[in-house]
Amino acid sequence: AQKITQTQPGMFVQEKEAVTLDCTYDTSDPSYGLFWYKQPSSGEMIFLIYQGSYDQQNATEGRYSLNFQKARKSANLVISASQLGDSAMYFCAMREGAGAGGTSYGKLTFGQGTILTVHP
Amino acid sequence: SAVISQKPSRDICQRGTSLTIQCQVDSQVTMMFWYRQQPGQSLTLIATANQGSEATYESGFVIDKFPISRPNLTFSTLTVSNMSPEDSSIYLCSVRRAESSYEQYFGPGTRLTVT
Repeated sequence: AQKITQTQPGMFVQEKEAVTLDCTYDTSDPSYGLFWYKQPSSGEMIFLIYQGSYDQQNATEGRYSLNFQKARKSANLVISASQLGDSAMYFCAMREGAGAGGTSYGKLTFGQGTILTVHP
Repeated sequence: SAVISQKPSRDICQRGTSLTIQCQVDSQVTMMFWYRQQPGQSLTLIATANQGSEATYESGFVIDKFPISRPNLTFSTLTVSNMSPEDSSIYLCSVRRAESSYEQYFGPGTRLTVT
């Protein structure tokens, strides 16, 4: 079974609007961490936001927020006030045994990604 | 965050040859990793680079094909040996500063094309 599932191959949003990118995960480990990365066409991977499985509140970083629904095993990324520069591939990833900065050796399992296009 | 550089940024190589990719971090980090991203695909972990000892490889990756060195806490190399067109990928170095730190950062990647 897929550990990380991103069901939206592509998403379109109007500039200044909000957009939600979906991510569901599968793990039996009670301690894990969830990540979102942005990959522009240049190929670099830019860290956006992190949510630990024991974190009580949803993570936020500027215009990025993570809608963490633990019972549903979902960790959707919300981008508010989209900008043209947000157009990129977005990856959801999970590190098991990590929790809020635990001792996992660091393997990230990635989803297939969602291509976001922001229209002017 | 960590500042990570990789060399080369891109290369075009002939099949049967080898390429060594360097990863340099601006400060000491506990963990360094190498990932591969094949065209149109997601990222896959190749191995964890261990300082002063042999790297830990993931299933499907072997030392003879992807030898890795990590002489200190800021530097690592990945060699792609006896290349074939199937090795055409982006290779990314990734670091985690400490086990107590959840953050994990990636270098800018090396875009390899094998002809």
